Amino acid sequence: DARVTQTPRHKVTEMGQEVTMRCQPILGHNTVFWYRQTMMQGLELLAYFRNRAPLDDSGMPKDRFSAEMPDATLATLKIQPSEPRDSAVYFCASGLLPGEGYEQYFGPGTRLTVT
Amino acid sequence: AQTVTQSQPEMSVQEAETVTLSCTYDTSENNYYLFWYKQPPSRQMILVIRQEAYKQQNATENRFSVNFQKAAKSFSLKISDSQLGDTAMYFCAFTRIQGGSEKLVFGKGTKLTVNP
Repeated sequence: DARVTQTPRHKVTEMGQEVTMRCQPILGHNTVFWYRQTMMQGLELLAYFRNRAPLDDSGMPKDRFSAEMPDATLATLKIQPSEPRDSAVYFCASGLLPGEGYEQYFGPGTRLTVT
Repeated sequence: AQTVTQSQPEMSVQEAETVTLSCTYDTSENNYYLFWYKQPPSRQMILVIRQEAYKQQNATENRFSVNFQKAAKSFSLKISDSQLGDTAMYFCAFTRIQGGSEKLVFGKGTKLTVNP
């Protein structure tokens, strides 16, 4: 049963610290997305990649956030320095796009708390 | 820009009854996909059903069906024979199918509670 995995599942950190979230997409998927979920803003796209190349990172605060795909099996999202307003659930999703009904398969999320 | 609106922040239904969740969207695209995702307390996002815009037939998945009205830009979800396990947040989402623009645009969600 292929799944998207994310680590860590929970992260509590102090303001100013660096945070790294990792995602392993489903093997064979060529597109990886990072979404953020907050009570105020709901679910919103931060960035996404096709064949490891960034396609859209317009939703990501460029001064503190960075997203990369070092290889096809790993996507990372870094926040440096972290701020309390970054507290949210961060989801990674992957898909074989275009095609396959345009379905995106979501990981379990990383709940980040910045104090 | 595409927008998705879910006008019902919360709904409740008795077990075994039918409930309909509303969703409207705004786009100038002619072809696109629409989705309903379920998010139970575990936070996992689970695809419930999807509809391709150029297909006129409404999608159905077991107890879940949609009423897709393209001209009205409406995409409602009907849950029949509601079960306790259907209690969750439900998100309506839209995606363009133009290359490089396949991000999901989500509504704010509807919290559904199924009562015994």
